[in-house]
Amino acid sequence: RKEVEQDPGPFNVPEGATVAFNCTYSNSASQSFFWYRQDCRKEPKLLMSVYSSGNEDGRFTAQLNRASQYISLLIRDSKLSDSATYLCVSSNNAGNMLTFGGGTRLMVKP
Amino acid sequence: GAGVSQSPSNKVTEKGKDVELRCDPISGHTALYWYRQSLGQGLEFLIYFQGNSAPDKSGLPSDRFSAERTGGSVSTLTIQRTQQEDSAVYLCASSLAGSGVYEQYFGPGTRLTVT
Repeated sequence: RKEVEQDPGPFNVPEGATVAFNCTYSNSASQSFFWYRQDCRKEPKLLMSVYSSGNEDGRFTAQLNRASQYISLLIRDSKLSDSATYLCVSSNNAGNMLTFGGGTRLMVKP
Repeated sequence: GAGVSQSPSNKVTEKGKDVELRCDPISGHTALYWYRQSLGQGLEFLIYFQGNSAPDKSGLPSDRFSAERTGGSVSTLTIQRTQQEDSAVYLCASSLAGSGVYEQYFGPGTRLTVT
């Protein structure tokens, strides 16, 4: 079993739709969690950190459920430019290594 | 300021040859990471450098892989006797410190093709 698991998708949604991705992690000692975005043939870039209380950044909302060991990302009012692969990431208990999920591909259509 | 840079951007090599991949981290970043991403796959951790501490090599897939970081800055990943399964994008990242709470900034990667 992979340490961080994601549905690979693709999720095909129309512009303006709301879409949610979930991710599960197996290491209960994981300390920090992140969502990274990766465009085709580009490097990953940090989208947002995920806090226990949940956090929001514009159209993006991230939630962490430690009891169930899953993380979610909600995107509201999808834009064409949101089309990318979204990587769920956990850090180890020392906080110095990241473990990446396989990514969920999102395609936003006009 | 300048981001993480990597060279070469693309490398095609014959099976059995050695290759060297270079990473220039962001100035002032003490932590440096190497990852590998195979086609359609997630990122696989390879090695981690933090300051002057001994590197964490736990992710290196075989003893054909090695990495150095000179002067706490530039890093070189060396793959000896390359195999076709080594074909992947090799990504370097750096962060302010060796803690997951600091964002890791990635370079554009080196696309390695072993023929």
